[in-house]
Amino acid sequence: GAVVSQHPSWVICKSGTSVKIECRSLDFQATTMFWYRQFPKQSLMLMATSNEGSKATYEQGVEKDKFLINHASLTLSTLTVTSAHPEDSSFYICSARVQPRDEQFFGPGTRLTVL
Amino acid sequence: GENVEQHPSTLSVQEGDSAVIKCTYSDSASNYFPWYKQELGKRPQLIIDIRSNVGEKKDQRIAVTLNKTAKHFSLHITETQPEDSAVYFCAARLGGGGTSYGKLTFGQGTILTVHP
Repeated sequence: GAVVSQHPSWVICKSGTSVKIECRSLDFQATTMFWYRQFPKQSLMLMATSNEGSKATYEQGVEKDKFLINHASLTLSTLTVTSAHPEDSSFYICSARVQPRDEQFFGPGTRLTVL
Repeated sequence: GENVEQHPSTLSVQEGDSAVIKCTYSDSASNYFPWYKQELGKRPQLIIDIRSNVGEKKDQRIAVTLNKTAKHFSLHITETQPEDSAVYFCAARLGGGGTSYGKLTFGQGTILTVHP
């Protein structure tokens, strides 16, 4: 149990385009999901907390208009990187909170490369 | 907010030796401390966790200790094997509620290399 999937696993896009990343909880319902960004050889930096049915809570310094998060169902959260630029290239990972132990399990990540 | 410091940043051991990674946290309200193992290009995987009402937890070759007074917790890996080589992250989570409940603050990571 507690399987989290992400799609796509990698994406290459041109500068200025938008990219949508999906995060799904496959065998459980997740009222809360989290989106992280990880640069090479660095730690995971929380971008935002995604709550089903409500607006996401963004961490300080994260542009909410650039990184759009939607958590429309108990098994799906999406992150859209709008007007992507090369500096947005990174490894984006989602996680989902699993009850009742309140553990957090991660998706496999999405490697975004913006040309 | 919470701040987590992790040491060392790199750790090299011989197969069969023990490895210890240490983390400190700043907010005494944190009550959950997981450890994740991440192999290159893959997702972080939860390997062990400890809650603030427990001082030590063990799972086969892996153990975690927590000192709430000093606000630090450690990961201990015994009888290390080459497949233990990876990046290890500690994390801390604040208690309480709110829309950001459950968010983890991660340490900087430790690159563990186990030489055969």
